[in-house]
Amino acid sequence: EVQLVESGGGLVQPGGSLRLSCAASGFTFNTKWMHWVRQAPGKGLVWVARINNDGSTTTCADSVKDRFTISRDNAKNTLYLQMNSVRAEDTAVYYCARESRYSSSLFDYWGQGTLVTVSS
Amino acid sequence: DIVMTQSPDFLAVSLGERATITCKSSQSVLYSSNSKNYISWYQQKPGEPPKLLIYWASTRESGVPDRFSGSGSGTDFTLTISSLQAEDVAVYYCQQYYSAPQVSFGGGTKVEV
Repeated sequence: EVQLVESGGGLVQPGGSLRLSCAASGFTFNTKWMHWVRQAPGKGLVWVARINNDGSTTTCADSVKDRFTISRDNAKNTLYLQMNSVRAEDTAVYYCARESRYSSSLFDYWGQGTLVTVSS
Repeated sequence: DIVMTQSPDFLAVSLGERATITCKSSQSVLYSSNSKNYISWYQQKPGEPPKLLIYWASTRESGVPDRFSGSGSGTDFTLTISSLQAEDVAVYYCQQYYSAPQVSFGGGTKVEV
């Protein structure tokens, strides 16, 4: 059974840093491209970042570029999102999502999410 | 950027009745080389992550009941629930993956009984 379990969320002050993790199981992690997608409270879904299967290629949304970094450790079956210089508008539930075999950036499995709250 | 516009924002449907949600993209998401529309639909129940229902505009994901169907091409798409069940109460989102990785989602449609 595919499982994605996020952790690392919490309360962080504006300008602070946080690292999110996503532990994957039930599939061959090092063959899958992975993504982070976020959802502000009561709002819709917004794509954040993508990483290829071996970690050599990453892409981030313009809204987080130069502040957030996506990475992975295939030996630990874990995806990360390093969040620096956070802002109030980064407050959201952050989901990790697995890319489907059918197409790029089509998400077939999602984790339960971890809530990040940016507030002083 | 491709903007996805869903309507309505909210839909109240009686059990057993049909629910229809529309999604419009600001530009065509039909890729001419393979004739595929890069549109998917997700269902999100309260407190849960999104669940993939449909991709390529009309292909149901494995395990999705056949009361869910998708249609459309180019810029206009529809998700139909042919006979609404209580467990279908959720928010539904369309997504374009034509401009991957810079994908975008519609604003969501809340379906209630």
